[in-house]
Amino acid sequence: ILNVEQSPQSLHVQEGDSTNFTCSFPSSNFYALHWYRWETAKSPEALFVMTLNGDEKKKGRISATLNTKEGYSYLYIKGSQPEDSATYLCAFTGNQFYFGTGTSLTVIP
Amino acid sequence: DAGVIQSPRHEVTEMGQEVTLRCKPISGHDYLFWYRQTMMRGLELLIYFNNNVPIDDSGMPEDRFSAKMPNASFSTLKIQPSEPRDSAVYFCASSLSQGIQTQYFGPGTRLLVL
Repeated sequence: ILNVEQSPQSLHVQEGDSTNFTCSFPSSNFYALHWYRWETAKSPEALFVMTLNGDEKKKGRISATLNTKEGYSYLYIKGSQPEDSATYLCAFTGNQFYFGTGTSLTVIP
Repeated sequence: DAGVIQSPRHEVTEMGQEVTLRCKPISGHDYLFWYRQTMMRGLELLIYFNNNVPIDDSGMPEDRFSAKMPNASFSTLKIQPSEPRDSAVYFCASSLSQGIQTQYFGPGTRLLVL
C-alpha cells in the first residue's frame, strides 16, 4: 500500500482569503496525479489530472502544480468563496490508483 | 451520457441479510472500480475490473464481500451476510483506462445495516 498524504486534514478560512494545501506521494513509479473536489452528500468530481513534472493547471480561481521529483502537488484557491467548501482529494496513479485522505475546506462567509 | 448509475441510492437492512449494490458504468469505459467511504478510513478501493475481469480484489474486506461484472454495462457488489460495520457509502466509478484517465464516480449507495 502506497502512502498518499494530504495536509492539512481540515482548514477553515474566511471568505476572500486565498489558501493552499498539499498532496505528497511516492516519487517512484509515477504516472499521473489527480485532484478531485468532493462536496458533502455528493460524489467526487474531477478537477485536474497532471502527468509531467512542472505541470500547472488552472480552472477559474483554482490552480494546481506538480513536482514529481520530490513527490508533491499543491492546490491553490484564490479568493475563497463559501461554495468552495468541500473535501479536496488527490489521487496518485502508479501501478494502481491511490487516494489521499483529503483536505476538508470550510469557507466562512 | 447519464454518467455512472448506481442503485439503490439508499439501503437499510438488518444484520445477516444479503445486500446487493448495482452499478452501470459510462458506456465505453474499460475500467470499473468499487469504493467504500467510511469516517475512519476515508475512500477505500475494494476491487476493480478491466474489461469485465477482476484485476485486484485485495481491498475486499473479507469473504462476505463479492463482486461480479457479467458484462461491460453492469456490475454488482454483494455482501452476504451483512453486518453493522458494513454501514458506509459505497461508490462505483469508471474510467477509460487506469493511468491518466479520470475516474467518474456514481452518486453512491448509502448502506445502513441495523
